[in-house]
Amino acid sequence: GAGVSQTPSNKVTEKGKYVELRCDPISGHTALYWYRQSLGQGPEFLIYFQGTGAADDSGLPNDRFFAVRPEGSVSTLKIQRTERGDSAVYLCASSLRGGANGWTGELFFGEGSRLTVL
Amino acid sequence: AQKVTQAQTEISVVEKEDVTLDCVYETRDTTYYLFWYKQPPSGELVFLIRRNSFDEQNEISGRYSWNFQKSTSSFNFTITASQVVDSAVYFCALSDYTNAGKSTFGDGTTLTVKP
Repeated sequence: GAGVSQTPSNKVTEKGKYVELRCDPISGHTALYWYRQSLGQGPEFLIYFQGTGAADDSGLPNDRFFAVRPEGSVSTLKIQRTERGDSAVYLCASSLRGGANGWTGELFFGEGSRLTVL
Repeated sequence: AQKVTQAQTEISVVEKEDVTLDCVYETRDTTYYLFWYKQPPSGELVFLIRRNSFDEQNEISGRYSWNFQKSTSSFNFTITASQVVDSAVYFCALSDYTNAGKSTFGDGTTLTVKP
């Protein structure tokens, strides 16, 4: 499809397990963002990639969270030793560029990956 | 630090009524962006509008209009003649100018439009 694709759409895991969430952005979009949305709240920024590099990872809550984008397209968010508090919807978004110059101002979001940690 | 407050948690209206969703923000930046997003039950956030901090002109797009007032740090969203399909959660968001995709979101307003 033409939009941002996220897999899996739902993931149930047990506390302490390792989880990977995948994001396939719109083709040609160089900027990629991960957000986390807890029930009843707005999305919270986690990390931003411009190309292959993490340009801003200030939103990652702790060192159990890590994300990669090795070829500048698909990104994987990795969560180690999951905790019940990690349960949320993880949203991925992409845009043509990440900076202010020439940016259209529009982020395209996927439908999210719902993570439930039992 | 940036903060966005959407004081209205839930709003319910009858179809064809006008409805205004409030958004108040806090930032120390002199230049910034403001956004509104719609999140229907499917969960995918849909971009509605972006506003630059130096452009205080109001904007209208069909039944949607936005009122940006820098003096009161508000960026309110009005839907005229609401329709059932407008039912969704609406988020206001704020970002600084150097990384416009890194946004601080409010907690959203759930709008229900009844037929």
